[in-house]
Amino acid sequence: ILNVEQSPQSLHVQEGDSTNFTCSFPSSNFYALHWYRWETAKSPEALFVMTLNGDEKKKGRISATLNTKEGYSYLYIKGSQPEDSATYLCAFGGGADGLTFGKGTHLIIQP
Amino acid sequence: ETGVTQTPRHLVMGMTNKKSLKCEQHLGHNAMYWYKQSAKKPLELMFVYNFKEQTENNSVPSRFSPECPNSSHLFLHLHTLQPEDSALYLCASSQDLLKFRGAEAFFGQGTRLTVV
Repeated sequence: ILNVEQSPQSLHVQEGDSTNFTCSFPSSNFYALHWYRWETAKSPEALFVMTLNGDEKKKGRISATLNTKEGYSYLYIKGSQPEDSATYLCAFGGGADGLTFGKGTHLIIQP
Repeated sequence: ETGVTQTPRHLVMGMTNKKSLKCEQHLGHNAMYWYKQSAKKPLELMFVYNFKEQTENNSVPSRFSPECPNSSHLFLHLHTLQPEDSALYLCASSQDLLKFRGAEAFFGQGTRLTVV
């Protein structure tokens, strides 16, 4: 059974502050690490797909890093805005046809 | 219009009922997936189809029966479910199987299933 852990489970952040959270995954048989944003009543939406150790990806104020040797990825949000409130899921691709997901980090931005 | 559409959005069914969940993707993708999310659990992969062929069954009980008539449509047929099967069922698609580097999943909004 693959173990994908995300921390923290939930996070309250003041508007304008920056924040980050963690995904840990198996360091063997790595194919890809995905990050998805899931807003309430919507579909999960892909943020990043990272495949190489040391990958850094950025989309606006959101960025992610990847360390496949030690099995972790960080997601950073700079200058949080209310529209960033969502659950952030990471998912590990280890060679199976589908992905193994973590439980997510539930982020709430407080005005 | 979303790329992946699921119907119905909500479903309440009795334990002796038979119902089906439908998923349709308009993205020209070759792979489709069923995931289940129970309360306080991560998304759990149920089934994977690639070019209409099932490639993965993640030890799912036989009361869940998938069907993929073509690359654009995926069904999940439900019969004699248990209350513990109540969950959010999400469909996803991808251009290639997610094990291939760079492939990303596109999700529907899910069907919220309640078994009474």
